[in-house]
Amino acid sequence: AQSVTQPDIHITVSEGASLELRCNYSYGATPYLFWYVQSPGQGLQLLLKYFSGDTLVQGIKGFEAEFKRSQSSFNLRKPSVHWSDAAEYFCAVGAGNQFYFGTGTSLTVIP
Amino acid sequence: EPEVTQTPSHQVTQMGQEVILRCVPISNHLYFYWYRQILGQKVEFLVSFYNNEISEKSEIFDDQFSVERPDGSNFTLKIRSTKLEDSAMYFCASSEQGTNTGELFFGEGSRLTVL
Repeated sequence: AQSVTQPDIHITVSEGASLELRCNYSYGATPYLFWYVQSPGQGLQLLLKYFSGDTLVQGIKGFEAEFKRSQSSFNLRKPSVHWSDAAEYFCAVGAGNQFYFGTGTSLTVIP
Repeated sequence: EPEVTQTPSHQVTQMGQEVILRCVPISNHLYFYWYRQILGQKVEFLVSFYNNEISEKSEIFDDQFSVERPDGSNFTLKIRSTKLEDSAMYFCASSEQGTNTGELFFGEGSRLTVL
């Protein structure tokens, strides 16, 4: 069965520090992978996606993610976090006619 | 930029009442979805809809739930007799090509509170 694991429930980083949010998936074939961000009281906004090709994908707001097939991972990174990045981040896998979401990682940014 | 719109943004209802959540997907999209997120939990798939019929549904989507595309623009989720555990944020999404080849565009959600 398909699944998405985000092992970090909550991460706190200082503004300006680098960030890496982990995502592991379980799927028989090469999945379509996504990262979404949810600000408090808001909907889900797509940060970036991987379908095929270059395994390092660039997204909005300075985020990037790297697909590593050998590790079944699709970790999200940002070199320098801004206070406005505080939000909930969801990794998702597109498989069949469904999206499977991870449980999310809550990011707190401290000054 | 085209977007998925949902109404109402927040609805409070009494247990046992019927609720209809409305969505206007992006106009050239063909695949429509409802997801829900119970407070503090992950986003869960409810149902997908294509070519005027349900293409897939989860265990959550029982007989109390129904979806409809009553006209060319709206996509609705009806909960016939709400329960306390239906309290959640409900997200509508649409896609041009389905999840296998296209991304999902999500609305901002409708928060349902069942008292």
